[in-house]
Amino acid sequence: SQQGEEDPQALSIQEGENATMNCSYKTSINNLQWYRQNSGRGLVHLILIRSNEREKHSGRLRVTLDTSKKSSSLLITASRAADTASYFCAETSGSRLTFGEGTQLTVNP
Amino acid sequence: NAGVMQNPRHLVRRRGQEARLRCSPMKGHSHVYWYRQLPEEGLKFMVYLQKENIIDESGMPKERFSAEFPKEGPSILRIQQVVRGDSAAYFCASSPGYNRGSDTQYFGPGTRLTVL
Repeated sequence: SQQGEEDPQALSIQEGENATMNCSYKTSINNLQWYRQNSGRGLVHLILIRSNEREKHSGRLRVTLDTSKKSSSLLITASRAADTASYFCAETSGSRLTFGEGTQLTVNP
Repeated sequence: NAGVMQNPRHLVRRRGQEARLRCSPMKGHSHVYWYRQLPEEGLKFMVYLQKENIIDESGMPKERFSAEFPKEGPSILRIQQVVRGDSAAYFCASSPGYNRGSDTQYFGPGTRLTVL
């Protein structure tokens, strides 16, 4: 399987619900970053969690990191239709980012 | 403070032509990265540059692709003799370089290359 693999590949929820996306990685990381990409657009940086951190919050976003399982999760609370996008985790090892295939989140109004 | 700028946003080339993609990093950023995204896939690292230096080009195809980041001006990703398989979105990212290997990378809007 690929590094930075997201799960699920696609997620459809109703506005107001929470959305949880998971990511697994294979290498030893400096940090792990989550990005959002709206259809046909560039990537927007959401949050960075360092390898010595276990949890981080930013607004409606909560990211956890479990280095023993080499996994991370992104939780979006009280979702909005505007949250509809693809979400990617990216592991930083050295200077490059290694992206997973992404989770396509659809929030239905 | 303008973000990362890329141009053109859309580029159409015929097989065998050359494609030149430009990237201007955020003000104050001296590190530039190029990534390629094929349809329905995640981004794949291509090359990492600092001013006048290629730091890591391990993701670049061995032939037809080259990148530069001159002392003055934008970074250029050049694809010679394009083929249909080069059709993709090419994203540039920049970082300040304070914490090499740990910087947040800020992405441009991408250039969508279509090869006819």
